[in-house]
Amino acid sequence: AQRVTQPEKLLSVFKGAPVELKCNYSYSGSPELFWYVQYSRQRLQLLLRHISRESIKGFTADLNKGETSFHLKKPFAQEEDSAMYYCALSQVGGNTGKLIFGQGTTLQVKP
Amino acid sequence: KAGVTQTPRYLIKTRGQQVTLSCSPISGHRSVSWYQQTPGQGLQFLFEYFSETQRNKGNFPGRFSGRQFSNSRSEMNVSTLELGDSALYLCATTGQATDTQYFGPGTRLTVL
Repeated sequence: AQRVTQPEKLLSVFKGAPVELKCNYSYSGSPELFWYVQYSRQRLQLLLRHISRESIKGFTADLNKGETSFHLKKPFAQEEDSAMYYCALSQVGGNTGKLIFGQGTTLQVKP
Repeated sequence: KAGVTQTPRYLIKTRGQQVTLSCSPISGHRSVSWYQQTPGQGLQFLFEYFSETQRNKGNFPGRFSGRQFSNSRSEMNVSTLELGDSALYLCATTGQATDTQYFGPGTRLTVL
């Protein structure tokens, strides 16, 4: 079965501390992995995807196929990073109109 | 470009009624996907339309249906509403140049 698991509902850190939001997945084919973010009173928006291998707002995520994980990391958290983060997957090479989301993790960065 | 728009933003209905929600994609986007968001189940995929055809479907009962028009605008319909249908319904659209999904603000449906 296709599934995305985010084990933490809430992650609370202090400003300047490292952040790691965990994401594990199960998928029978080759998935494409994404991180979406929803800031307060804003729309859900793409943060990054594993195919582009880029760093957005200081966040990076590496796809580990052996551990079926796609954890989101940032070395130094900022207060403006406080938001809801969703890990999601879709099928590689196919259309990405169908996303399977994890339950989401609320990141709270304290001053 | 204007973003994805959804109407109405809020709806209150009673059990047994039906409801229609609308999604207008970003200009040039031909794929429209619908999701249901609830505190208990999170974000769940309902269906996707592309060029007026349903291309993907999630695991929802037949009471949930959708369609897409030639201008790529999409509607979803829920018939015989149940209390459990109370949720935020999000649509997301995708263009051909990119497969990134752009989300609308959602329609908050409350079933009493």
